[in-house]
Amino acid sequence: SQTIHQWPATLVQPVGSPLSLECTVEGTSNPNLYWYRQAAGRGLQLLFYSVGIGQISSEVPQNLSASRPQDRQFILSSKKLLLSDSGFYLCAWSKGTRVINEQFFGPGTRLTVL
Amino acid sequence: TQLLEQSPQFLSIQEGENLTVYCNSSSVFSSLQWYRQEPGEGPVLLVTVVTGGEVKKLKRLTFQFGDARKDSSLHITAAQPGDTGLYLCAGARNNDMRFGAGTRLTVKP
Repeated sequence: SQTIHQWPATLVQPVGSPLSLECTVEGTSNPNLYWYRQAAGRGLQLLFYSVGIGQISSEVPQNLSASRPQDRQFILSSKKLLLSDSGFYLCAWSKGTRVINEQFFGPGTRLTVL
Repeated sequence: TQLLEQSPQFLSIQEGENLTVYCNSSSVFSSLQWYRQEPGEGPVLLVTVVTGGEVKKLKRLTFQFGDARKDSSLHITAAQPGDTGLYLCAGARNNDMRFGAGTRLTVKP
């Protein structure tokens, strides 16, 4: 069976500090990978998605970046955090089909920027 | 503006009541998913509907996909406190999927 891991679970960082959130998937190969941000009580905002190693598509221009160094590893980074970067960050994976894109989510990382 | 509009945004009901939440769009989707998310956790997939007019049942939950594949509804019968959570719909088209903002349901004992 497939599992998806995210860490850390919670993070408190000062404004201007760097960020690195990691996501790994087990039990599948060549998944599509996604990073979402969810503001308190709101829906999901797609930040980045990747269909393969080194292939990153950005949905929203911002001070965040993503990388996919390995098939089942997805990293979200920032060089300098802003207050507005606070939120709940979710990683997800899906099979690379064109018709049905059921996504399976990790447990999330709660980021607070002070 | 949201591609998918979910209503109501918030819903608070007593245990045992029935409820329906809606997911509407002007776009046609190849499939639509419903997820439930509990506080501090990732969303969990409940169901996927693919065919226009399709109805799927999951215990006390009934999901329907509109005939034109632009909208969907989720009906819960005899709601229980364990149904509390954020219900998200997501529509897939052209190998892309977008989420609605969700309906936050609270079921009081």
